[in-house]
Amino acid sequence: KQEVTQIPAALSVPEGENLVLNCSFTDSAIYNLQWFRQDPGKGLTSLLLIQSSQREQTSGRLNASLDKSSGRSTLYIAASQPGDSATYLCAAPDTGGFKTIFGAGTRLFVKA
Amino acid sequence: GAVVSQHPSWVICKSGTSVKIECRSLDFQATTMFWYRQFPKQSLMLMATSNEGSKATYEQGVEKDKFLINHASLTLSTLTVTSAHPEDSSFYICSARFSQGGGETQYFGPGTRLLVL
Repeated sequence: KQEVTQIPAALSVPEGENLVLNCSFTDSAIYNLQWFRQDPGKGLTSLLLIQSSQREQTSGRLNASLDKSSGRSTLYIAASQPGDSATYLCAAPDTGGFKTIFGAGTRLFVKA
Repeated sequence: GAVVSQHPSWVICKSGTSVKIECRSLDFQATTMFWYRQFPKQSLMLMATSNEGSKATYEQGVEKDKFLINHASLTLSTLTVTSAHPEDSSFYICSARFSQGGGETQYFGPGTRLLVL
């Protein structure tokens, strides 16, 4: 059964800092992995989707990498801004690939 | 990209009443939709898998008689919280499974916030 773990649980950084959010998963037989952003009281915003054949995906200041062999993914945020403050969720398919399992999230606060 | 909508976006109801939440895939057909629940400061937990034309599959610990799911068409799934109680207050999010070119992606709705008084 797939388990998704995210560290750190919370992170506070000054504006402009580059940062890395970590996600690990127990079942490496995944066909993709997704990173989401969730603002307080809001729904999910899909940030990056990495297919199993890819090693990384980039969107603006965001870069997500995927290492299936080690069961890890990282989300790199460059030059962080206060507007980046949110909870970032990592999600991977369950064993069998039918359901999506979410990590507990990393709550990011970027100080101006 | 594909769009999934939910209605209503928020609802307040009295204890004991039933509340229906709709999930629609707007520009694609979804044979499978998923319903998640999220309590404050917690992650999303899958409640059930909604299958078009057949019964939903519920996760362990989720009462199927309390959370009724109907997937009547390829673009609509509904979740009815029956006899709602304050402990059912939560953020409910649906997703729709989209298959294309041998790959699959889930698209998520914006969520429905339920407050039971």
